[in-house]
Amino acid sequence: SSELTQDPAVSVALGQTVRITCQGDGLRSYYASWYQQKPGQAPVVVFSGENNRPSGIPDRFSGSNSGNTASLTITGAQAEDEADYYCNSRDSSGSHWLFGGGTKVTVL
Amino acid sequence: QVHLVESGGGVVQPGRSLRLSCAASGFILSNYGMHWVRQAPGKGLEWVAVIWYDGSSKYYADSVRGRFTISRDNSKNTLYLQMNSLRAEDTAVYYCARDAYYDFLTGQPQGPFDVWGQGTMVTFSS
Repeated sequence: SSELTQDPAVSVALGQTVRITCQGDGLRSYYASWYQQKPGQAPVVVFSGENNRPSGIPDRFSGSNSGNTASLTITGAQAEDEADYYCNSRDSSGSHWLFGGGTKVTVL
Repeated sequence: QVHLVESGGGVVQPGRSLRLSCAASGFILSNYGMHWVRQAPGKGLEWVAVIWYDGSSKYYADSVRGRFTISRDNSKNTLYLQMNSLRAEDTAVYYCARDAYYDFLTGQPQGPFDVWGQGTMVTFSS
């Protein structure tokens, strides 16, 4: 299918760990990228590929991949991590790109 | 500093056309594939189109294929999105985004989208 599926919302206590998942057939062939978006701002990539964290992104952000599922984990969530998170990858054809529906992360 | 700045958004009537521009600075546009991504008010991100670093291939989301055209002028370091036959459901903030890598053999963009503009808004009047 040509979709990436994410849970709409998750919450996490300050300092605890939260994992966000993304499912799609294309993920069996292509790695996902993860973007953080805060209100009124453009998205920012926080993790991509097999194990790539851009410079300036805290190491509490990590990613993993298994079969048709990609995951983003925030270990020791901070208040500033409250945002919408989107996964992104290519569809099975490799030529078209997709975004998941987004997961709203609330830090309690 | 690496920047992307979109322009050209505004209020438009359904059925009309609009051309968005995305000016790149701080890097050589011709070295990168580029994307347009949009976000309707209160909604998630939707990928719109991609163009390869040399303009040799272009691909579109089903929702815009046949109506929108992505292009680039590498000599001007500028990306474009020509939008025709606009519909109310095209209302969104439109972002341009740089694709960080491309396959050396095929030229195909590989992701991630590592630089984003701040977006330009397209809205409709009745």
